Amino acid sequence: NAGVTQTPKFQVLKTGQSMTLQCAQDMNHNSMYWYRQDPGMGLRLIYYSASEGTTDKGEVPNGYNVSRLNKREFSLRLESAAPSQTSVYFCASDLYNEQFFGPGTRLTVL
Amino acid sequence: EDQVTQSPEALRLQEGESSSLNCSYTVSGLRGLFWYRQDPGKGPEFLFTLYSAGEEKEKERLKATLTKKESFLHITAPKPEDSATYLCAGFDSNYQLIWGAGTKLIIKP
Repeated sequence: NAGVTQTPKFQVLKTGQSMTLQCAQDMNHNSMYWYRQDPGMGLRLIYYSASEGTTDKGEVPNGYNVSRLNKREFSLRLESAAPSQTSVYFCASDLYNEQFFGPGTRLTVL
Repeated sequence: EDQVTQSPEALRLQEGESSSLNCSYTVSGLRGLFWYRQDPGKGPEFLFTLYSAGEEKEKERLKATLTKKESFLHITAPKPEDSATYLCAGFDSNYQLIWGAGTKLIIKP
């Protein structure tokens, strides 16, 4: 039982490049989330998916897209990376409002 | 605007020195108050959920309490392994979590 896994762990991009962050959970949870965490700020919700086939915007969705591929997988795509997207990205799933987090992806955009 | 504020930003204690972390919130229709622990380089790990004022929950050296305006995380006789960043979050009326910035706790042996 791996819980929530994320790939890659680290990534450096140049401005304008695109990439997809992958997330998978093996706990059979319906809801999944993408957050970003910046120094001195709380976690901010980018997108979430309440169930397979549905996605909704969170607090800071601009510049991102998501895909809920199936119940296990929820990916986050940056179409044209900007330095303001330098952050640590966390994926989470939840059961009865308790969220389980992955180890994070540290992204730097130059 | 819904907001969760944690204080202090950082707290250094000697091993065995008890203290409290504060989480004040202005979240409309609060449906729950959550505490998480985050170790460096890792994702947050769930500790407690509190649903109503007056509620208390304990786990080892940690006890979380809730009033109508704030929550406290009390740490009794802490050990170095309790060093981490502690996050609180309020569950709003739309079932979204509003997160505080965290308190970084350092316990010196």
